[in-house]
Amino acid sequence: AQKVTQAQTEISVVEKEDVTLDCVYETRDTTYYLFWYKQPPSGELVFLIRRNSFDEQNEISGRYSWNFQKSTSSFNFTITASQVVDSAVYFCALRGAGTASKLTFGTGTRLQVTL
Amino acid sequence: AAGVIQSPRHLIKEKRETATLKCYPIPRHDTVYWYQQGPGQDPQFLISFYEKMQSDKGSIPDRFSAQQFSDYHSELNMSSLELGDSALYFCASSLGGVNSPLHFGNGTRLTVT
Repeated sequence: AQKVTQAQTEISVVEKEDVTLDCVYETRDTTYYLFWYKQPPSGELVFLIRRNSFDEQNEISGRYSWNFQKSTSSFNFTITASQVVDSAVYFCALRGAGTASKLTFGTGTRLQVTL
Repeated sequence: AAGVIQSPRHLIKEKRETATLKCYPIPRHDTVYWYQQGPGQDPQFLISFYEKMQSDKGSIPDRFSAQQFSDYHSELNMSSLELGDSALYFCASSLGGVNSPLHFGNGTRLTVT
């Protein structure tokens, strides 16, 4: 069984602060895929980033960066210089290696960025 | 770029009625997923189809059924609606390859009164 845990229920920051969203996962698969999705107040689910289990290289994409550590089963997501438009619920998700395998979501972290 | 299209956007039904939700995947995507998201909850997997065959089943009530048609669009049929079925229903599509992200539609908000 797969499980994704996002211990932070809600985070509040002031604009321009950096913020890190934590994600811990459990899986028995040796190959798996990790994702972050954003759900703004309008309700849609927007794909942000993806990481394969066999690639622990951490990357930066614009204001987004992520820290994947297989040894601790963590896949943390950082927004640099946060903006009000970043206010949303952020979901970490895990997908197994089978064809058409489903996404298992964490419970989400609500990020509130204020002026 | 084309996205996943869901219809209707909003639906209001009474208890014990039937509802049909439609999903049109991104062109050339061969896999469709249905998720249910209750208020303040994370999306819960219902069912998926790969190449028009059911590929996986999650916590989908027996009152619900779904299928994927020859043009790859999918429909989720919900009967004997209950108040607890009120939720946001997402459809997502992807290529069958495991490295592909799921792309979600804007969802159908179902309200059962």
